[in-house]
Amino acid sequence: DGGITQSPKYLFRKEGQNVTLSCEQNLNHDAMYWYRQDPGQGLRLIYYSQIVNDFQKGDIAEGYSVSREKKESFPLTVTSAQKNPTAFYLCASSPRTSLAKNIQYFGAGTRLSVL
Amino acid sequence: GIQVEQSPPDLILQEGANSTLRCNFSDSVNNLQWFHQNPWGQLINLFYIPSGTKQNGRLSATTVATERYSLLYISSSQTTDSGVYFCAVDSGGSNYKLTFGKGTLLTVNP
Repeated sequence: DGGITQSPKYLFRKEGQNVTLSCEQNLNHDAMYWYRQDPGQGLRLIYYSQIVNDFQKGDIAEGYSVSREKKESFPLTVTSAQKNPTAFYLCASSPRTSLAKNIQYFGAGTRLSVL
Repeated sequence: GIQVEQSPPDLILQEGANSTLRCNFSDSVNNLQWFHQNPWGQLINLFYIPSGTKQNGRLSATTVATERYSLLYISSSQTTDSGVYFCAVDSGGSNYKLTFGKGTLLTVNP
């Protein structure tokens, strides 16, 4: 099946621990994004990448890190510096074609909780 | 940055009723998308509509770019329409960032 796969669906983090959320897409999309959603809120952009080996901070990048070594993969690490990591994390990708530059498609999300 | 406001924040309907959701934005946009977030959290693309009108079954959307608003119409609502509806916009430039509104929580009762 074509799409965006996020894993795991649920993740628990202990104090002082770094955890990594996986995002893989087989849509051949150039751009990938990570968003955070808190209860009753809209999505806020953490990091985005428009091309392999390049990424930019979004609006709430502190305490997070990413890498983009392959076109299909954009993992997000929630570091111990992120003091309030409990949230729903969504990954997206977009083709960035000339016809529809930024139609974003989303994965099913990962729910992260702190133990 | 661009501001996105959605109204109403909550809406409760009986099955079969029609509804209109509104999205106001503070600047011109290159991209406007409507999404439906189901109870499991999945965001589903409904429309890409930076201007004009589109229809898909019982759903339709209109964006009046010059007046900086978009409307999502749901006709003959069904219980499966329940969830949160988000509007998101991209104001252009080279980074293609989407800014989301806070959403409208729709509950359709049988």
